[in-house]
Amino acid sequence: EIVLTQSPATLSLSPGERATLSCRASQSVSSYLAWYQQKPGQAPRLLIYDASNRATGIPARFSGSGSGTDFTLTISSLEPEDFAVYYCQQRSTRAFGQGTRLEIK
Amino acid sequence: EVQLVESGGGLVQPGGSLRLSCAASGFTFSSYDMHWVRQATGKGLEWVSAIGTAGDPYYPGSVKGRFTISRENAKNSLYLQMNSLRAGDTAVYYCARAYCTNGVCYTYFDYWGQGTLVTVSS
Repeated sequence: EIVLTQSPATLSLSPGERATLSCRASQSVSSYLAWYQQKPGQAPRLLIYDASNRATGIPARFSGSGSGTDFTLTISSLEPEDFAVYYCQQRSTRAFGQGTRLEIK
Repeated sequence: EVQLVESGGGLVQPGGSLRLSCAASGFTFSSYDMHWVRQATGKGLEWVSAIGTAGDPYYPGSVKGRFTISRENAKNSLYLQMNSLRAGDTAVYYCARAYCTNGVCYTYFDYWGQGTLVTVSS
């Protein structure tokens, strides 16, 4: 079973700052990893797939990188609407990480 | 516009059954793999089941033998029959579309419904 571990659990930043979220897999998942954003009371939204490809309509400030076991979601300059919970998910077993809450400092 | 609308959630006693439905519109339903994903209140996301375009089902161990996914392409509808329900099945259940490109579907979820709440309690 592949386990995804996200860090940190909570990240406190201010608008305009750069956010770096991490997802580590217990074994290699190649580049088969996605990132989702979820706001309170809403369904998740696909941001990034195959580690680094932005989904349709996702702003360029969101970028993904990594391969194998270590992955990063970067938000270059935080907008007020970016404060949410972020999940990573790997393709083969469909498992999700436990999430990182990005909150306003 | 792609839309997924779930229905059928509610309160059910432990050991009971429930059938969820998902009405799809705005895309060629028959050409997409479809999934159910659940989320307990305040918790993370858990993949529950998938069905391919040919009707082939997939389940994680936590629901295998209790849940059955099906689809009716003529009605653009996805279903989840849930039997032998347990308190741990309490969650919002989302219908989600697989990300597909060039005729190949991948197990990422590019569109989601708003979810339907299932509560298992006596």
